[in-house]
Amino acid sequence: SQQGEEDPQALSIQEGENATMNCSYKTSINNLQWYRQNSGRGLVHLILIRSNEREKHSGRLRVTLDTSKKSSSLLITASRAADTASYFCATDGNDYKLSFGAGTTVTVRA
Amino acid sequence: GAGVSQSPSNKVTEKGKDVELRCDPISGHTALYWYRQRLGQGLEFLIYFQGNSAPDKSGLPSDRFSAERTGESVSTLTIQRTQQEDSAVYLCASSLDQGSYNEQFFGPGTRLTVL
Repeated sequence: SQQGEEDPQALSIQEGENATMNCSYKTSINNLQWYRQNSGRGLVHLILIRSNEREKHSGRLRVTLDTSKKSSSLLITASRAADTASYFCATDGNDYKLSFGAGTTVTVRA
Repeated sequence: GAGVSQSPSNKVTEKGKDVELRCDPISGHTALYWYRQRLGQGLEFLIYFQGNSAPDKSGLPSDRFSAERTGESVSTLTIQRTQQEDSAVYLCASSLDQGSYNEQFFGPGTRLTVL
């Protein structure tokens, strides 16, 4: 079953704008990861945030984690057409398995 | 190659036929995962291999699904007597080891269509 749930399901923004998507999960986690998927194919790892971290940055990406609310957000700043993709959060419990949400589809308009 | 590779990239088959999907993980990665992704949905965990340990098959949806891995290299996912609901993209991923702090590297997937 999917633990992470992304919100919104779809997002359309203008190039240069920021895109924010959220992920909520149900059980305690060790870490939360965000992945990007282009054209329904392989996923690319973007960033991992550990349960004892609250915020992490990587280039134009900013991830926050609020374990009290069991939620995370992914912010993409100054979006580009190449950011058009589906974004998934993945959570783990005490084992090696990742549980993926259904994803947020982001469309960046030129 | 440096990444995870999968073959074939696309497979169209008739209902009732068997199919075999192949995954070549990144060299040196001891952990290998298979996922299924139906259209517009997230990834469903199918099976996990870690070194020479017994695989975790808890995600396999039915006994028509099976997978093997030779040592720490190639893995094959076999679906017997395919059904239309098996149509999906099958993704393989590998990581350095089973620790969940390890990033999973994904292959491009095999798109399976069962007519």
